[in-house]
Amino acid sequence: DTGVSQNPRHKITKRGQNVTFRCDPISEHNRLYWYRQTLGQGPEFLTYFQNEAQLEKSRLLSDRFSAERPKGSFSTLEIQRTEQGDSAMYLCASTPQGNYGYTFGSGTRLTVV
Amino acid sequence: AQSVTQLDSHVSVSEGTPVLLRCNYSSSYSPSLFWYVQHPNKGLQLLLKYTSAATLVKGINGFEAEFKKSETSFHLTKPSAHMSDAAEYFCVVSPGGATNKLIFGTGTLLAVQP
Repeated sequence: DTGVSQNPRHKITKRGQNVTFRCDPISEHNRLYWYRQTLGQGPEFLTYFQNEAQLEKSRLLSDRFSAERPKGSFSTLEIQRTEQGDSAMYLCASTPQGNYGYTFGSGTRLTVV
Repeated sequence: AQSVTQLDSHVSVSEGTPVLLRCNYSSSYSPSLFWYVQHPNKGLQLLLKYTSAATLVKGINGFEAEFKKSETSFHLTKPSAHMSDAAEYFCVVSPGGATNKLIFGTGTLLAVQP
């Protein structure tokens, strides 16, 4: 493994369209996190998985957002009916259980026009 | 609730001079604190972490931070700035618990002048 991989790197979409992002964590890490970073702000926690179980979701994660981690491997984050306020960098990170050793991906930058 | 406040949004230093990036934290108990760096188009990288061991924490690339409970501060320092240090720096606190999620400050953009 060379690290956490996120695809695509950039996504431009029209308001109202659905988008899906993918995160491939480090294979031996059983915890996976999604964060959102808007311009001029630090990243904010969205949700986290331990293996395939989604164990916590932030209030930031409206019902238009859904995340999955089938089989405890890669994860997807889908945003339905995108709004301009969804424009942000979406960051994925993984860690081994019980360890603060986060490894972050380079992120997916979403622009909603 | 736990939070961190980064006191400067921008810091500019000359190459070879000391770096000081300031961070105050708010926590009802002994926190876990971190500094992360974000270079353009690259992932966040952990510089150092404090988890209630030694109060002076040494990190990568010559950075260090001192945990001062009496001042609720966790300032990041480096004796001599290098051009490659130009980046955004985030002070981070973790409330711990089962999630181990991170709470980020708003960031300090460090510029290094030749």
